[in-house]
Amino acid sequence: DAKTTQPNSMESNEEEPVHLPCNHSTISGTDYIHWYRQLPSQGPEYVIHGLTSNVNNRMASLAIAEDRKSSTLILHRATLRDAAVYYCIPSNTGNQFYFGTGTSLTVIP
Amino acid sequence: GAGVSQSPSNKVTEKGKDVELRCDPISGHTALYWYRQSLGQGLEFLIYFQGNSAPDKSGLPSDRFSAERTGGSVSTLTIQRTQQEDSAVYLCASSLPRGHEQFFGPGTRLTVL
Repeated sequence: DAKTTQPNSMESNEEEPVHLPCNHSTISGTDYIHWYRQLPSQGPEYVIHGLTSNVNNRMASLAIAEDRKSSTLILHRATLRDAAVYYCIPSNTGNQFYFGTGTSLTVIP
Repeated sequence: GAGVSQSPSNKVTEKGKDVELRCDPISGHTALYWYRQSLGQGLEFLIYFQGNSAPDKSGLPSDRFSAERTGGSVSTLTIQRTQQEDSAVYLCASSLPRGHEQFFGPGTRLTVL
């Protein structure tokens, strides 16, 4: 299983973009990069996933390095509701997901 | 549609007692996962069911923990002879076969006195 390194915490001002980094230098060639987030007192929720190309959806964008050893989750305009713990999870479907400790994002009004 | 449901939402038990936690996945989701989350910690994988295949039990912390999935739907996580260190929120998730998106239930908060 690929090990991941994420900052323990980050802060962002409301309505500004946020770039959440993740290093996964031991990722295997078949692992997708998944991002989940966990709001306070809730279960995790899916944010986005990708394999090699950058991905966009209604929640966020995912930028994947060419060598796939790192990725960045981009929230284009942070809102107070985006305050959560963000988990980067390299894995393939059908395999267990290791959530790690993630990055705790604080959004400042 | 209905999401993943778990019961009970809270369970307080005495050390040494057995407990059963239930998970109802989303209809049609053949993959089912159990995790636990201790206070202030990340999620710890426990067990994974995929259809009729043998479950991946590699995350179960001891032989006091077991899980079943009957008829490919409802799952029960059983903890025998509970210990105080078993206190945590137990989360269940389900997904489509080989799906990337796991849908999580609200969790069961277990407190062992």
